[in-house]
Amino acid sequence: TQLLEQSPQFLSIQEGENLTVYCNSSSVFSSLQWYRQEPGEGPVLLVTVVTGGEVKKLKRLTFQFGDARKDSSLHITAAQPGDTGLYLCVGGVGDYKLSFGAGTTVTVRA
Amino acid sequence: GAVVSQHPSRVICKSGTSVKIECRSLDFQATTMFWYRQFPKQSLMLMATSNEGSKATYEQGVEKDKFLINHASLTLSTLTVTSAHPEDSSFYICSARDGWAGNGYTFGSGTRLTVV
Repeated sequence: TQLLEQSPQFLSIQEGENLTVYCNSSSVFSSLQWYRQEPGEGPVLLVTVVTGGEVKKLKRLTFQFGDARKDSSLHITAAQPGDTGLYLCVGGVGDYKLSFGAGTTVTVRA
Repeated sequence: GAVVSQHPSRVICKSGTSVKIECRSLDFQATTMFWYRQFPKQSLMLMATSNEGSKATYEQGVEKDKFLINHASLTLSTLTVTSAHPEDSSFYICSARDGWAGNGYTFGSGTRLTVV
């Protein structure tokens, strides 16, 4: 299993602030997905990035895939309490091999 | 979009008994499904890869005889925790993929297992 380092592990911010979560690896991934998971539920896919340098936006969320496809970031602008959850990055190698980041617990205080 | 149904969502069982968890792909066929275990506020740990019509592939350190996986059809995989003990209490999640890697993986809603 390839190592995918995710940081920070915990993030607590005030409503309206911005935040960024990072995923880094020494290995190249064919694709990278970001998921959000709420307590007691399974992870829900937010986005998939497959092209080096790709940037995708989902409302206030901006996802970037590094040029070398070894790293990715998730940036949330003007965070809201509804953004609270565990964010996971998952790197794909080939068709089925997956590498999971350790997860970032985000808490947005009202 | 793709939906994966996992059942039951919660189960409490006595120590020494066995528990079966089902994972179904509702609107797509999944030749491969994955089973994970998750501890509070931590990421998912892959336990095994379930392959339709063949034996599952287990990750290092996962006991095959304790966590029995059956993938008898293209839409159903089951995980049976045999002779459960309190240390098996955890959140178990399955996932499957619909089509190519760009679609991402769809996860079940998870099963909270408590062994008393």
